[in-house]
Amino acid sequence: NAGVTQTPKFRILKIGQSMTLQCTQDMNHNYMYWYRQDPGMGLKLIYYSVGAGITDKGEVPNGYNVSRSTTEDFPLRLELAAPSQTSVYFCASTTGGWQPQHFGDGTRLSIL
Amino acid sequence: DAKTTQPPSMDCAEGRAANLPCNHSTISGNEYVYWYRQIHSQGPQYIIHGLKNNETNEMASLIITEDRKSSTLILPHATLRDTAVYYCIVRVNTGNQFYFGTGTSLTVIP
Repeated sequence: NAGVTQTPKFRILKIGQSMTLQCTQDMNHNYMYWYRQDPGMGLKLIYYSVGAGITDKGEVPNGYNVSRSTTEDFPLRLELAAPSQTSVYFCASTTGGWQPQHFGDGTRLSIL
Repeated sequence: DAKTTQPPSMDCAEGRAANLPCNHSTISGNEYVYWYRQIHSQGPQYIIHGLKNNETNEMASLIITEDRKSSTLILPHATLRDTAVYYCIVRVNTGNQFYFGTGTSLTVIP
């Protein structure tokens, strides 16, 4: 099992550009999550999904969109990149219940 | 929603036990406590979780007080590779969400 795979690992965007951060997991987990982590801070939840076709907002959803068309994939979309979205983005998944979340290695995004 | 409070930083001598405290005084009766660590901004690594009984695995032990308002993560023999930020998390039932605080930065000193 590869676990949770995130691509790309690094990206630099210009203000106003758009991009999609990819996340895929091969553990057949129903629950998937997107977090962002700013320097020196803990992770903040952006969006989450409890299964294919179902998504919901977390703490900091503004400026982002998600979709969940399959169990394996949970892409995060930035439509109009802003400097405030410079951060490290982590994707995670879990089977649910009381099981722990498994995290990817992150995408480091800079917006200039 | 249950929140957690942790000291911002701690030091521990190599080979000694590292005891990391966490306060979660608003925890609900069926909410678990989870511990993760993050090394050099890598993805958070799961360590251990528990409800009310003490738990132990190959990485650490988790001691939860009887009233469940606080817990302690114990790394029995800290090594330099244990230097990391440690997060104590209480899961929110809705959507199985985790809320991360700022964690404790543990430095293991040679």
